[in-house]
Formats: sequence, structure tokens, C-alpha cells
Amino acid sequence: AAGVIQSPRHLIKEKRETATLKCYPIPRHDTVYWYQQGPGQDPQFLISFYEKMQSDKGSIPDRFSAQQFSDYHSELNMSSLELGDSALYFCASLGRGLAGLYEQYFGPGTRLTVT
Amino acid sequence: AQSVTQPDIHITVSEGASLELRCNYSYGATPYLFWYVQSPGQGLQLLLKYFSGDTLVQGIKGFEAEFKRSQSSFNLRKPSVHWSDAAEYFCAVSGGYNKLIFGAGTRLAVHP
Repeated sequence: AAGVIQSPRHLIKEKRETATLKCYPIPRHDTVYWYQQGPGQDPQFLISFYEKMQSDKGSIPDRFSAQQFSDYHSELNMSSLELGDSALYFCASLGRGLAGLYEQYFGPGTRLTVT
Repeated sequence: AQSVTQPDIHITVSEGASLELRCNYSYGATPYLFWYVQSPGQGLQLLLKYFSGDTLVQGIKGFEAEFKRSQSSFNLRKPSVHWSDAAEYFCAVSGGYNKLIFGAGTRLAVHP
């Protein structure tokens, strides 16, 4: 079965550079969530989209922006990168599970290292 | 406020011993509850989930969890731990379509 795809899987950037992370949800999933997991931390919600509109916003820095496109893939744009942005970034898409109820399906994550 | 508490930051058990990881939640509406496992540097794997109905849910890898509304708890259990179970375990809550709120995680070490 198709899963959530994230690219790139690994990314190394220098301070003050920009980065773009991409997320391709499971086909026919129209809702996408972004989470950030710092070293030794639990995943923290950043932002979500439903039908190309922002549906919820968490602790996302102003330096970050995101959008969802017409094919439902999403991109997280990060500017003026700081050392503290080094983290594992997860994307999840929302779909119906076997029980018929909605649940989030996670991608493998993008590991961003800022040097 | 919505939150998840995992009281145990680090647990060590012997291989073959039983395991219980604690999770308490605070959520205004009917919660959907999840347990995820994460190996170092890896993604999140869903172990099990509770939406409604039977309060004892079975998951993958021999794990089970029991939802106790009166205690706002969703503890994860396994009768016999294997060395390969060593990982970080996250409890999470959501309201269905909403974002997941994770606990701080419990790191499990397994002694041979």
C-alpha cells in the first residue's frame, strides 16, 4: 500500500540558509500535518492543511511557512535557519483506517541538520 | 488544557519480563488515544489505537493497552519483553481530525 513520502530524507544546511521540505500524502488524503521533533524531544505540531487551506497552527516560527498544493502535496519552507532548527520533521496525512475512523499516517521524516 | 503525561522517562526491564508503560491524558472532548514506537533516528510506528468500544485494545508486536476513563489513563502493556522492543515509546491524544498531542516519551531499555 502507498505510504506518505517525504523528501529529502536528509538535509544539511548552514545557518541563515533556507530549506524546503516536501510531503506527498497517501493518494486521496486531503489533510496534511507537519511535526517537528528535536533531539530527545517528543514531536511537536507545527501546522496542518485541509483542502489546500491552513486548518490549524501550532508552535511554528515566523521564519517558517507552508502550503498545500492542488495535488495535496505540501511543502514546508524554512528561512534564516538556526542551529535550533536541527530536528526530524514529520509529515502525516489523514485517512480512514480499518475501523472506519480517521487516523494520521506518518511519513519517514526528513532529518534536517543546520551547521 | 490538552496534554499527555508519561511519568516514566526511562524504564529498564529484563528480557522476558512483563512491561507496563504509563500514560495519562487531559482532553476536553472524547479522546482518540495512540501509542507509537520509535527506534533511534527512525520514524514513528503506530502500535495501537483506541477510538471507542472495548477498552482493552490489541496492537502489533504483542502489545496491548487499556483505556480507563475514570483515571484518564491509557497504559501500554506487554507480557514478555524481547530485546528488540528497546526503543522510545510515545503516547498521543487527538480529537479525530485534530493534531496529535504527544507525551514526552518513555525510553525502554531491555537487559539480556
